[in-house]
Amino acid sequence: DTEVTQTPKHLVMGMTNKKSLKCEQHMGHRAMYWYKQKAKKPPELMFVYSYEKLSINESVPSRFSPECPNSSLLNLHLHALQPEDSALYLCASSQVVWDSTYGISGNTIYFGEGSWLTVV
Amino acid sequence: SQQGEEDPQALSIQEGENATMNCSYKTSINNLQWYRQNSGRGLVHLILIRSNEREKHSGRLRVTLDTSKKSSSLLITASRAADTASYFCATVTDSWGKFQFGAGTQVVVTP
Repeated sequence: DTEVTQTPKHLVMGMTNKKSLKCEQHMGHRAMYWYKQKAKKPPELMFVYSYEKLSINESVPSRFSPECPNSSLLNLHLHALQPEDSALYLCASSQVVWDSTYGISGNTIYFGEGSWLTVV
Repeated sequence: SQQGEEDPQALSIQEGENATMNCSYKTSINNLQWYRQNSGRGLVHLILIRSNEREKHSGRLRVTLDTSKKSSSLLITASRAADTASYFCATVTDSWGKFQFGAGTQVVVTP
């Protein structure tokens, strides 16, 4: 069982709707991530939060709006999405590990089970 | 673009056989990680190998790393039907912790 909890598991929304995906972890991790995954493709990084601050935004369209209200929670606000945004959205968390040579060196990332989003 | 590229894209084997998949990457790394994803589920961490390690074992998994060739391999020995999944390698590609996945290898193990 994953220690990263995502809700809802399934979401169907119209192109004019506003909805949110939620993610929660209680492992004390200070890095949290949103990934988007289409069928038979690898996860694509969308956003990274480090210490509740947005540190990476992979040129994601503004119709996706992340929010990190505290160290345990991560939200992804959705508005005016397109059908091609239908995908599995994965939340993940990890410790922040700093290496003097590599910078943030990458630690084990723990994933939630994902939220299946369908835009109609 | 993806940092890691997996080879082969798909692998079909019978129970009891070994499964080997490879991953190549482009930038220098601190570590490389392998993940498994069952269909429609989240990813599960399998093993992390650091840049100063050449080989690592975990149960039926064996991972090698060749930093001179910028490549890694994952071997699953004595495969089981439950090993059917997609396997991804992943690395951090910059100093800000951009953690990216390779294209993945889809493994099917038939009883």
